[in-house]
Amino acid sequence: SQQGEEDPQALSIQEGENATMNCSYKTSINNLQWYRQNSGRGLVHLILIRSNEREKHSGRLRVTLDTSKKSSSLLITASRAADTASYFCATDPGGGADGLTFGKGTHLIIQP
Amino acid sequence: GAGVSQTPSNKVTEKGKYVELRCDPISGHTALYWYRQSLGQGPEFLIYFQGTGAADDSGLPNDRFFAVRPEGSVSTLKIQRTERGDSAVYLCASSLAGGYTEAFFGQGTRLTVV
Repeated sequence: SQQGEEDPQALSIQEGENATMNCSYKTSINNLQWYRQNSGRGLVHLILIRSNEREKHSGRLRVTLDTSKKSSSLLITASRAADTASYFCATDPGGGADGLTFGKGTHLIIQP
Repeated sequence: GAGVSQTPSNKVTEKGKYVELRCDPISGHTALYWYRQSLGQGPEFLIYFQGTGAADDSGLPNDRFFAVRPEGSVSTLKIQRTERGDSAVYLCASSLAGGYTEAFFGQGTRLTVV
């Protein structure tokens, strides 16, 4: 089963603009991670935010986490054509459960 | 190699046949995960190994699916009596330790059951 739900399912913007993707989840978590996937194959880890953190930055990426609303957002600033990919949030529930639970993803297209 | 390696990259098999998918994790990573991804969906957790033992196999869909990691490194996902619904990309990931840590994914094996 999939816990996370990304919103929107698809997003198309012009190069240089900022892209924001949202993720909602259902149960409590230890941490939340964002991954990027190109061409439906291997996933690349982007950033991990722990449940006691509210915001985290990595280069052009900014992730926020609101555990009271069970939601997270991923902001990509100054987008580039190479950012075109699918983006997934994944939750680590902890509490003895193992394995990340992924959402369905947001397909991001950057128009040159 | 430096990354997670999965073989084969593509596998086409006939309905009812047996298949094995192999995963070579990053050296030194004790945690290994298998996921399955259908078209348009996110990866779905199948099984997690910590060392040689399957710490969590709750994601395996039925008893046709089985995975081993006999020496705590390479893992094999085995599917018996394949069905067309098993067609998907099977992803393997490894990490230094389970939970709280970044998982590194392989490129996956695309399984097509005809």
